[in-house]
Amino acid sequence: EAGVTQSPTHLIKTRGQQATLRCSPISGHTSVYWYQQALGLGLQFLLWYDEGEERNRGNFPPRFSGRQFPNYSSELNVNALELEDSALYLCASSFDSPSIYEQYFGPGTRLTVT
Amino acid sequence: AQSVAQPEDQVNVAEGNPLTVKCTYSVSGNPYLFWYVQYPNRGLQFLLKYITGDNLVKGSYGFEAEFNKSQTSFHLKKPSALVSDSALYFCAVRVPDSNYQLIWGAGTKLIIKP
Repeated sequence: EAGVTQSPTHLIKTRGQQATLRCSPISGHTSVYWYQQALGLGLQFLLWYDEGEERNRGNFPPRFSGRQFPNYSSELNVNALELEDSALYLCASSFDSPSIYEQYFGPGTRLTVT
Repeated sequence: AQSVAQPEDQVNVAEGNPLTVKCTYSVSGNPYLFWYVQYPNRGLQFLLKYITGDNLVKGSYGFEAEFNKSQTSFHLKKPSALVSDSALYFCAVRVPDSNYQLIWGAGTKLIIKP
């Protein structure tokens, strides 16, 4: 069974640009979660999508947005990039929520803003 | 406010010795508790979870954790540490009234010395 996949692996952007990160969940999973992991920090919850709808978002500005497609894959968009957006962005998927199910994580996209 | 604490930034253990990584939580309702591990430059991997039932939960790679409701703790343990256990460990809690969002600890770096 294929795991969660994310693309690209690395992304280098300049300040003010837009970044688009992609995630494909495990087959059968309908929930997708996005996290930001800045260097030396823990996971900061960004967004949760389930069945194509945004269910919850963390404490991030509106320039962080995303969507979930009918095949449950997801896209995270970060507009007007700032230097502090440099981080590892992790995507996770799980069976539908509310849920006792664990989340399965992809390898992440390393975003560097210069 | 609901929170998860991992009181130790780093834990050092000699190979072959038992290890404990601590996690305490402060949440309302009945929590679902999870442990994840992150190896360098990788996404997170699920280790084990407590939902209900037996307070001692066994997981992957020989790890186990004990749910202690009175002490609101969910410490991760392993009887005999391996050098390959060196990684970053995260505790997470899910409660129904948080829109099923996971609340994450800050992570504990585990270093196993040969």
